[in-house]
Amino acid sequence: AQSVAQPEDQVNVAEGNPLTVKCTYSVSGNPYLFWYVQYPNRGLQFLLKYITGDNLVKGSYGFEAEFNKSQTSFHLKKPSALVSDSALYFCAVRDPSGSGAGSYQLTFGKGTKLSVIP
Amino acid sequence: DGGITQSPKYLFRKEGQNVTLSCEQNLNHDAMYWYRQDPGQGLRLIYYSQIVNDFQKGDIAEGYSVSREKKESFPLTVTSAQKNPTAFYLCASNKPGQQETQYFGPGTRLLVL
Repeated sequence: AQSVAQPEDQVNVAEGNPLTVKCTYSVSGNPYLFWYVQYPNRGLQFLLKYITGDNLVKGSYGFEAEFNKSQTSFHLKKPSALVSDSALYFCAVRDPSGSGAGSYQLTFGKGTKLSVIP
Repeated sequence: DGGITQSPKYLFRKEGQNVTLSCEQNLNHDAMYWYRQDPGQGLRLIYYSQIVNDFQKGDIAEGYSVSREKKESFPLTVTSAQKNPTAFYLCASNKPGQQETQYFGPGTRLLVL
């Protein structure tokens, strides 16, 4: 079974400082990994994904994430945080080696609330 | 939120009542999904459909039902058997293929009167 852990319920960072939101995963095969952002009372917006290739993935709004297979991690990063980055962030994993329709399912972490302080 | 619409934005359910949440997409996506979001629990999969006239139970299907009669539409019914329906419900869709990104609608918040 696949699973995702986001070890921090909340991350606080000062505006202009670098930010990191952590994610670790567990799958039986090679993972497909995704990051989404959610603003209050809104749906999830896609930020970036890792499928294969370069371990550093760049996405929307200046975000990037680094895939680390040995540490089974996919941490989200941004060099300089903005107040407008304050939101709820979700990491998700899909295990393409799973059987049948289950290989299409996304499993989400519980989310990390990011607060950027002016 | 792209080409996925959900209605209504807010829905109130009386005890013992069935209610239906609408999800429509104009992205020509084959696969559609329903998730339930509760505070601190992330998203949990209720039902999914990879193709018209076929759907599968997710992790928390009890008390819910779906249909997929058209490619564009995947309505979710919250039945009276669902004893704790208060949550934020999100619909998603994607193109065929395991590498494809799921895109989400704006959500429906269901409250119990």
